[in-house]
Amino acid sequence: DAGVIQSPRHEVTEMGQEVTLRCKPISGHDYLFWYRQTMMRGLELLIYFNNNVPIDDSGMPEDRFSAKMPNASFSTLKIQPSEPRDSAVYFCASSYGVGTGSHEQYFGPGTRLTVT
Amino acid sequence: AQRVTQPEKLLSVFKGAPVELKCNYSYSGSPELFWYVQYSRQRLQLLLRHISRESIKGFTADLNKGETSFHLKKPFAQEEDSAMYYCALILGGYNKLIFGAGTRLAVHP
Repeated sequence: DAGVIQSPRHEVTEMGQEVTLRCKPISGHDYLFWYRQTMMRGLELLIYFNNNVPIDDSGMPEDRFSAKMPNASFSTLKIQPSEPRDSAVYFCASSYGVGTGSHEQYFGPGTRLTVT
Repeated sequence: AQRVTQPEKLLSVFKGAPVELKCNYSYSGSPELFWYVQYSRQRLQLLLRHISRESIKGFTADLNKGETSFHLKKPFAQEEDSAMYYCALILGGYNKLIFGAGTRLAVHP
């Protein structure tokens, strides 16, 4: 397994543009998480899904951010319109469910977003 | 509210010196705690979890419920240990990880 896959790895865009980040979780994992990493705030959980359903989106900073998971193998995080303060590394992670007792989350390589 | 505190942003030591990365948590239930590590240009990955009571790459961490701490220790640091270390708490019954701010460990030759 290639692990969690994210694309693009780097994204540079201008303020006001729409940005879409993509994630493919590990096959068989039923939880998917989106995190944002900045120097100031560290790692923050934005939203997570269980069986493609959003469970907790309390970390989504504002309405400009939206996330979807149309199927078990794909998720997107969209920022529209983007702002310079959105510049960060965005991580996707996946894991097995609570019942397995594992709870280990497997992280993707991240997407480094720069908004100018 | 549930919270994980890592008081040190940067810990700088020399090779062969002991290392202790501090982590304190705030949670009234039964916590499950983890240490994740991010080496330069690599993915964030699990280092160890308290329920396993294991030693990975010479690192150990003991859950102290009285002091609500889960400090990460290694008796003799190596240069390859230089990385960003995150302590994380998972709430009982949920898969939501709460991360600390992270501590950068720099091991000098």
